Parts: sequence; C-alpha cells; structure tokens
Amino acid sequence: NAGVTQTPKFRILKIGQSMTLQCTQDMNHNYMYWYRQDPGMGLKLIYYSVGAGITDKGEVPNGYNVSRSTTEDFPLRLELAAPSQTSVYFCASSYGRKNTEAFFGQGTRLTVV
Amino acid sequence: TQLLEQSPQFLSIQEGENLTVYCNSSSVFSSLQWYRQEPGEGPVLLVTVVTGGEVKKLKRLTFQFGDARKDSSLHITAAQPGDTGLYLCAGVKTSYDKVIFGPGTSLSVIP
Repeated sequence: NAGVTQTPKFRILKIGQSMTLQCTQDMNHNYMYWYRQDPGMGLKLIYYSVGAGITDKGEVPNGYNVSRSTTEDFPLRLELAAPSQTSVYFCASSYGRKNTEAFFGQGTRLTVV
Repeated sequence: TQLLEQSPQFLSIQEGENLTVYCNSSSVFSSLQWYRQEPGEGPVLLVTVVTGGEVKKLKRLTFQFGDARKDSSLHITAAQPGDTGLYLCAGVKTSYDKVIFGPGTSLSVIP
C-alpha cells in the first residue's frame, strides 16, 4: 500500500529559486496537510485542505502556496526560497477531522543556501 | 509560544527502566493523540484519547488524558531499544479542526 507519497526526498535550493513539493495519497482521504518540522519545534502546520478545491492557512503560511485540484494531490509551492525555509516538510492525510488518524509521508528535506 | 509543551525534551535511559513523558497545555482539547517518529520517517499514530480521565494501554505503553482535557502522559514500562524515537503529542481544539503538535520528547533506550 502506497499511503502518502512525497517527492522529492531531498533538495537543495539557492536563495530566490522556486520549487514544488509533490504529495499524493491513495486512501481517498478528504483532509490533507502540510507541516514543517524544525529541530526542537515539533510540527508546524503550513496549509491544510478539507477537500478538492478548498484550502486554508495554518500557523506558518507565509512564503508558501498550495492547490487542491483533485482528492489525491496536494502540492506545496515555495516561491523565492529563503534560508528560513530550510526544514523537513511532511505531507499528511486523514479521512476526517478531530479524532481520526493522520497518515504521514516520509518527508522532504529541503536546504536553502 | 507553544500551545502544547512536552517534557522532558530529551531522555536517555537503560533498557528495562520505566519512564513517563508529559504533554501539557493551558488550553482544552477535544482529543489528544500520541505519535512516534523514527529517524527519516514520518510520525505514526500510537493512540487517541478523547474522554477526560481516560486511560489506554498499548502493550507496555500506558496513555492517560487529564480530567480537564488539558494534559496527557505516556508511561513506558520496561523500555526496550525498539522504543527509541521522537514521541509527539498532538491536540485538536474544539473550536477548529486543525491538529496542533507539541515539540516532542526524544527518547533513547540504551541496550
């Protein structure tokens, strides 16, 4: 079972470059999330989506954009990369909200130099 | 400011010892989840607690939700090297459906 798949696993960007982190899930989940994880800071919610065509900001949305054209895909776009965006990015999905389990991808380690 | 605090931040113990880690907040949550994350992987759900005072057991792991639904604890009995990892608590507030994560407790169990 694939679950949540993220690509790429690693990436180095130069300051000012742009890129898209891909995320796809095959569990037909309505809810999808993007988190970033910095050392000692846990997971910070960047954006989330409750279904195709619907997205909303999380705790730290600045410098990022998302889209949700299908149930399966939830790409995260970084425009004008900055060193502060160096982090590990996790995509997750869940069937519903509140008490339901979130399934995570393996993460994308991004370094901006 | 962290909405969820976890303590201790780091814990290194010998195999066979018992330990407790804590997740605290000044806010009330409709539920709390505990995840374990191994290096290079995403977090994996261990348990969800919903009712104030609820206790759930998962083999050698015991989870408790505080009566006021503001805090939770995870107790591990006879820790094993396979328990090594980052333990994250995550809360869902009643007012919205976003899941908020704590900073985690990094546990190392030495054989």
